[in-house]
Amino acid sequence: AQRVTQPEKLLSVFKGAPVELKCNYSYSGSPELFWYVQYSRQRLQLLLRHISRESIKGFTADLNKGETSFHLKKPFAQEEDSAMYYCALSGSGNTPLVFGKGTRLSVIA
Amino acid sequence: KAGVTQTPRYLIKTRGQQVTLSCSPISGHRSVSWYQQTPGQGLQFLFEYFSETQRNKGNFPGRFSGRQFSNSRSEMNVSTLELGDSALYLCASSNLVAGGQETQYFGPGTRLLVL
Repeated sequence: AQRVTQPEKLLSVFKGAPVELKCNYSYSGSPELFWYVQYSRQRLQLLLRHISRESIKGFTADLNKGETSFHLKKPFAQEEDSAMYYCALSGSGNTPLVFGKGTRLSVIA
Repeated sequence: KAGVTQTPRYLIKTRGQQVTLSCSPISGHRSVSWYQQTPGQGLQFLFEYFSETQRNKGNFPGRFSGRQFSNSRSEMNVSTLELGDSALYLCASSNLVAGGQETQYFGPGTRLLVL
């Protein structure tokens, strides 16, 4: 069974500090991992996916198959990064997305 | 392109009633997925439709059903509503092709309150 764990419900950091949002997954096959973000009063939107290896809004995430992790990182947090972040996994063959419970990031000025 | 739209945005029903929610995907997208979002359970997958066929189904009772029309618009229906069905129901569309997982674009959701 697929499972995504985000161990932190809430993460507070100061502006300019590094950010790391943790995501661990459980899946026996080859997963596709995603990070979605939901800003206040906005719809859920894709932040990045591991296969594209992009850096969006300064965020990066590396898939570590050995540790089954896909942590989201940003070197310098900005106030506008405050939002709810969801890690999601899709297995092979058009399987549906499985989401973690989410981490609320609060960036303090 | 216009984004995913969902109607209605807010809905209040009483226990035992039934409800139908509608989702219009991004033009050209043939895959529509539905999710239930609650504070306790987070985002949970309900079902996915592709070209009018249900491709995947989540772990929800049979009271939850859906369908997709030839224009890719989708509806989901919940019969015999229970208090626990109060949630934000999200629809997402993607230009899913055979194999792989294309980016899903989410609608604003329909907030359902069951009294």
